[in-house]
Amino acid sequence: GEEVAQTPKHLVRGEGQKAKLYCAPIKGHSYVFWYQQVLKNEFKFLISFQNENVFDETGMPKERFSAKCLPNSPCSLEIQATKLEDSAVYFCASSPTGQGTYNEQFFGPGTRLTVL
Amino acid sequence: EDKVVQSPLSLVVHEGDTVTLNCSYEVTNFRSLLWYKQEKKAPTFLFMLTSSGIEKKSGRLSSILDKKELFSILNITATQTGDSAVYLCAVEARGSQGNLIFGKGTKLSVKP
Repeated sequence: GEEVAQTPKHLVRGEGQKAKLYCAPIKGHSYVFWYQQVLKNEFKFLISFQNENVFDETGMPKERFSAKCLPNSPCSLEIQATKLEDSAVYFCASSPTGQGTYNEQFFGPGTRLTVL
Repeated sequence: EDKVVQSPLSLVVHEGDTVTLNCSYEVTNFRSLLWYKQEKKAPTFLFMLTSSGIEKKSGRLSSILDKKELFSILNITATQTGDSAVYLCAVEARGSQGNLIFGKGTKLSVKP
């Protein structure tokens, strides 16, 4: 599609439950980025993919967070055993290329995760 | 540690005013600086700046980068209520694998 699509718009989970968020990048874009925005603070980078390969995962909390981008499927971000501090808006962005050329990232509308 | 600082954090003006939003950065091996406008949902891309002193312009919005002093400004002339949004500044560093470092944003409110 012409826009980055994210589902669901809102997700409510009890502490300890699993949360799974989805992102469909713009068609033809090779790079996908996930960011976390807590309480309207700055975006924090989590992980990026080049097609189905992890490109950079330096921002990813290793214990409970995982992500995948499989061929012919939306990318996903999964949080096992959610904690209150995971409450945030999770944004996905896609870009035609990563390094080597200058390309802006196009953002989706975000998924608001609330952990109770 | 790499960081991006935006000022002011919020700003209230009246329609027709001109505003200047500031973004300063400390980044190892700067590559590019981007401005986004965030209304209720997805941040929308405004400008990408890579070279000092070259103004980018789109309608009433313009932006310029100073790589020596490590800052950028975003100007909006003849503001309209539709300009009300959070304006985000983000920087990409070489070797960062493309991920962006964001400031906290400037919340602009334009009153009729």
